Amino acid sequence: AQSVTQLDSQVPVFEEAPVELRCNYSSSVSVYLFWYVQYPNQGLQLLLKYLSGSTLVKGINGFEAEFNKSQTSFHLRKPSVHISDTAEYFCAVSDTGTYKYIFGTGTRLKVLA
Amino acid sequence: NAGVTQTPKFQVLKTGQSMTLQCAQDMNHEYMSWYRQDPGMGLRLIHYSVGAGITDQGEVPNGYNVSRSTTEDFPLRLLSAAPSQTSVYFCASSPGTGGTDTQYFGPGTRLTVL
Repeated sequence: AQSVTQLDSQVPVFEEAPVELRCNYSSSVSVYLFWYVQYPNQGLQLLLKYLSGSTLVKGINGFEAEFNKSQTSFHLRKPSVHISDTAEYFCAVSDTGTYKYIFGTGTRLKVLA
Repeated sequence: NAGVTQTPKFQVLKTGQSMTLQCAQDMNHEYMSWYRQDPGMGLRLIHYSVGAGITDQGEVPNGYNVSRSTTEDFPLRLLSAAPSQTSVYFCASSPGTGGTDTQYFGPGTRLTVL
């Protein structure tokens, strides 16, 4: 069965510093990868997704992620964070031919002034 | 469009009580799903549906029932609530069923079982 690992449960970073949130998935022939963000007391919303093609995917709010098939990773990056980026970030994967989305345990990003 | 709506926002139950969490979407999406969110465990899939009349189990289906009589509605029923079902519940929908689509999430229902 497919699985997703987010290695960091919490990441503190100072405002305007770069950040990388890590995500690894278990190997599969073909997968689709997603990053979602959850602001306090809200539902999740999509940041970006990788379906095929270019391995560098750009999303909303200046975030980007790189798909690395050999390392089965899909790390999320932002070159300069803002206080408003404080939220919980979830990596998710779905398999071709299944209807199930599997989520990681989440990384809580806290941006410090 | 209202998107995905969930009611109630908060609910407190006693052990053994039953209740239904409501979920509706007005985007004519085929795929709908229910997740529970617990600290340190992320989101876990409870049940999902790929269209009216079709439902299937996710990772953690025990203690929950679903039905999908219309495209718009996907209620989640707790038959006999247990403290282990204390959680935040999210409903989500997406246009297609091939695993490539963005999921749109509701605002969640915070359930406490005493």
